[in-house]
Amino acid sequence: DIQMTQSPTSLSTSVGDRVTITCRASQSISIYLNWYQQIPGKAPKLLIYAASNLQRGVPSRFSGSGSGTEFTLTISSLQPEDFASYYCQQTYSTPLSFGGGTKVEIK
Amino acid sequence: QVQLLESGPGLVMPSQSLSLTCTVSGGSIRRGNYYWNWIRQPAGKGLEWIGRVYSSGNTNYNPSLKSRVTISVDTSKNQFSLRLSSVTAADTAAYFCARGVGSILGTVYHYYGMDVWGQGTTVTVSS
Repeated sequence: DIQMTQSPTSLSTSVGDRVTITCRASQSISIYLNWYQQIPGKAPKLLIYAASNLQRGVPSRFSGSGSGTEFTLTISSLQPEDFASYYCQQTYSTPLSFGGGTKVEIK
Repeated sequence: QVQLLESGPGLVMPSQSLSLTCTVSGGSIRRGNYYWNWIRQPAGKGLEWIGRVYSSGNTNYNPSLKSRVTISVDTSKNQFSLRLSSVTAADTAAYFCARGVGSILGTVYHYYGMDVWGQGTTVTVSS
């Protein structure tokens, strides 16, 4: 099974800040890495698919990069609605697996 | 646009089976290169993929649950379902259904993210 490790697990930041979240896979997953945003009490929302492709309707301040085992989600200028939890997910092989999540909180 | 809605009991007795249905509206479950998933999330914790089904009926399961899980599809009703047997308190969670997107390039099927999710339904295992 492929293990996904996210860092940091949480971060405190301010509106307008640049935020970077890292996700590492226990083996190469090519580009089959997706990012989700989850607001408490809601379902996850797809932000980025195949490592760097912005899902339709997602603001361009979100971007993704990486391949192989190391991936990054960047929010260029954090907005109030971006305070949430973020999860990476690999869809390279079953069982599909998620990272443990990163909670982005207001400083 | 396509919407998903989970339904089923919110309370299940220990050792019994949990059964949930996901109804797909706004599009046919048979059309397109999609795979249909169940994911769960205990309160305050992360996401766990349970398994997936294709419109053909083919399935893949998480080995951690494989002996207890059955996912099926009913294309005539535009639904897919989850059955989890022998439940314990550890199965208490929010359960989500989600549509996964794929594409076929040549002979290879590529799996992308889950672009449509149900709102989730909370299942509590308790006597």
